[in-house]
Amino acid sequence: EAGVTQFPSHSVIEKGQTVTLRCDPISGHDNLYWYRRVMGKEIKFLLHFVKESKQDESGMPNNRFLAERTGGTYSTLKVQPAELEDSGVYFCASSQDPWLAGPTDTQYFGPGTRLTVL
Amino acid sequence: LAKTTQPISMDSYEGQEVNITCSHNNIATNDYITWYQQFPSQGPRFIIQGYKTKVTNEVASLFIPADRKSSTLSLPRVSLSDTAVYYCLVGDSRDSGGGADGLTFGKGTHLIIQP
Repeated sequence: EAGVTQFPSHSVIEKGQTVTLRCDPISGHDNLYWYRRVMGKEIKFLLHFVKESKQDESGMPNNRFLAERTGGTYSTLKVQPAELEDSGVYFCASSQDPWLAGPTDTQYFGPGTRLTVL
Repeated sequence: LAKTTQPISMDSYEGQEVNITCSHNNIATNDYITWYQQFPSQGPRFIIQGYKTKVTNEVASLFIPADRKSSTLSLPRVSLSDTAVYYCLVGDSRDSGGGADGLTFGKGTHLIIQP
């Protein structure tokens, strides 16, 4: 079974540019999450999709960040315009519907996209 | 979500058993305890989850005392490849809407295994 994949693995852009990160969850996983870790900080939750709907976007830092999951499959996270403080590693994770999987709602993480804003 | 406290770092040697303890004094009745492992340049990876007593899988064991205010992740006979950051998370895996919440990560424990 293929795991969660993310593209690109590394992106270097200049301040003010736009970057779009992509996440392909494990097939059949309705839940998709975005997290990020900025330098020296903890991994922070950004938002959660259930299929194509945003279940919780309380962690999104500001309106420069736009996440979509059209069709309920892959998701994109766009940063426009990028600022220096957006640099960090962006992780995507997916999980099954916990009501189907039972008490354990294991989230499977991708390798992350390292974003560097110069 | 219950706050967790765990060691910032630990060192051990190959072949030893390593125990990492996590404190979660404010754990709620519906909360589960989950441990994730993260290698450099990779995303976190689920290791084990438990509610009470002891849980064992092919990777680790998780010991949870009766009061559930702490838990201990036990890694038997560690090898160099077990060098990683280990996160203890506490929370309810399901809300009334049937969805699973985003995870709250702390700083984790940096485990370094030496030859």
